[in-house]
Parts: sequence; structure tokens; C-alpha cells
Amino acid sequence: EDQVTQSPEALRLQEGESSSLNCSYTVSGLRGLFWYRQDPGKGPEFLFTLYSAGEEKEKERLKATLTKKESFLHITAPKPEDSATYLCAVQAPQGGSEKLVFGKGTKLTVNP
Amino acid sequence: DGGITQSPKYLFRKEGQNVTLSCEQNLNHDAMYWYRQDPGQGLRLIYYSQIVNDFQKGDIAEGYSVSREKKESFPLTVTSAQKNPTAFYLCASRGPYSNQPQHFGDGTRLSIL
Repeated sequence: EDQVTQSPEALRLQEGESSSLNCSYTVSGLRGLFWYRQDPGKGPEFLFTLYSAGEEKEKERLKATLTKKESFLHITAPKPEDSATYLCAVQAPQGGSEKLVFGKGTKLTVNP
Repeated sequence: DGGITQSPKYLFRKEGQNVTLSCEQNLNHDAMYWYRQDPGQGLRLIYYSQIVNDFQKGDIAEGYSVSREKKESFPLTVTSAQKNPTAFYLCASRGPYSNQPQHFGDGTRLSIL
């Protein structure tokens, strides 16, 4: 069974304190790994897609990386507006390519 | 602006009542999805549709029904058979290639009166 595990469940940082969120997965034949940001009461907002090990994507203070077993979302010098829940999802051929398997998310709080 | 619109934002259901959640998109996407989000759990797939007049069950389809009569619309009905309907419901759509990201609406929160 395909699984996605995100850690930590919650993370508190001071403004400017860099850190990383982890998404580990067990799937056969990864077709894509997706990172989303979700604010309270809102739908997930797409951030990045990673397709193969070694790939990296960047957007402002966020950088996503991918290995064969996990992905990291690095947050450099975070600001309070980066506070949100970050979701990771993977797509694999098993069960049909339409299916995404989501992790439970990491709730990030950045204090001023 | 192109996007996905879900309505209403909040919905209340009485015992024995069916309720329908609306999802409309103007992104010209063929594929559309319904997810359920509960506290402390990942998003779970209820139903999805890859084309008009066709849809498939996801992991937790029991107690739910959908229709796809138009490309732009994918309404979800929560029937009285769904015994634990209180949750945050999210609709998504995706572009033409299966490994493209899904884009989400802002959800409907359903509660039981």
C-alpha cells in the first residue's frame, strides 16, 4: 500500500530561523510528488511538483528537493506569513494514475 | 480569473437529509475530484471524473453520489446513508496530463444540526 508520512506534525520557528519539513513515501514507480500550502479554512494552494530523484524547485523562501525515498521542503529565513499547514502528496501507477496519496501535513508557525 | 468555485462555504445538514455541494471550474479541465478532510488526517478521495458523463469511486465513496453532466460542474451529494458527514469537503481539477498538479477550491464545511 502506498504511504506518505510527513514530519514533524507541527513546527514552531522564530522569524528568520531556517528549517526543513520532511515527506517520506513508499510507492512503486513514483510519477510525481506535490507540495501544497493550506491556510486555515482554505483549500490547498499548489507550490511545487517534483518528478525524479535529484530534482529541485525554488520559490521565494521555499526550496523543495526529492530523493528516491523522501522529499524535503526547506524554508529559508521564514516570515510570519509563511505560517500554514504544508501538505505533501504522491502519485503512483498503483490504483490508477488518477489517485494522489496525501500525508497528514506539517503545521508550521513562524513567530515574529 | 480562472479558478474553482465551491459553494456554499458552510452547510448544515439535518438527520435524514441529503445535501448537495456545488463545484464549478472555468479552467477548461477535464478531470475533477472530490476529497474529504478531517482533522489530523490526510485528504481522502471520494469520487473523481475524467470526462463528462463518467466518474469513478475513490477510497470512501459510500454514502456519497456525484454527477458530471457538464465539463464545468461536478456536484457532490452527501446522502443520509453517510453516517459521519461532518467534515471539510474539497473539490479539485487537473489539466490534461495525469501527472500535472491538482488545483483546489476553497472548500465547503459541512456540519450536522
